[in-house]
Amino acid sequence: DAKTTQPNSMESNEEEPVHLPCNHSTISGTDYIHWYRQLPSQGPEYVIHGLTSNVNNRMASLAIAEDRKSSTLILHRATLRDAAVYYCILRGSNYKLTFGKGTLLTVNP
Amino acid sequence: GAGVSQSPSNKVTEKGKDVELRCDPISGHTALYWYRQSLGQGLEFLIYFQGNSAPDKSGLPSDRFSAERTGGSVSTLTIQRTQQEDSAVYLCASSQKSSGIPFEQFFGPGTRLTVL
Repeated sequence: DAKTTQPNSMESNEEEPVHLPCNHSTISGTDYIHWYRQLPSQGPEYVIHGLTSNVNNRMASLAIAEDRKSSTLILHRATLRDAAVYYCILRGSNYKLTFGKGTLLTVNP
Repeated sequence: GAGVSQSPSNKVTEKGKDVELRCDPISGHTALYWYRQSLGQGLEFLIYFQGNSAPDKSGLPSDRFSAERTGGSVSTLTIQRTQQEDSAVYLCASSQKSSGIPFEQFFGPGTRLTVL
């Protein structure tokens, strides 16, 4: 599986936007970009996914670079409940999700 | 509706004992996955079931690990002769479909296994 690189940790203030970056320079043309998050003491939770175009859903937005070698997960207004580890994952034609260490997001009140 | 459930939530066992971990996927989901997460680490894929197809066991770390899925629904992960390095959170996930459109995986809360 192609590898992703994320910062180990990021910090944000409540009600401010958060931009979580992910680099995936070896992405192949058929790889989807997935984001999951894991709240403390819980299983991971799907956030969003995309292929080429930017995507929006009720939880977040995903901005994908034109060359697809990087992407950014955008939380428009961070809340304390958004504090979690965020995983950026590339998924090809198979079913496996390969989780790295992700980015630990801390949200300050 | 009900999500993925796992039992027990916590399991403490002695080295050398066998353990069974259970997963109840979301009704109607044909794909079921097992992962494990060691302390401070990301998730490690263990095994995958899709309908009646042969499971993908490529992630199982040793022959002490096995899993089955009965009737296309409930799954049991068995670890024989447990070792201390087996201590981890074991997570189960299910999805509507595993190939083609990347359906999201829904995860259970996990079983925390501690081997003394």
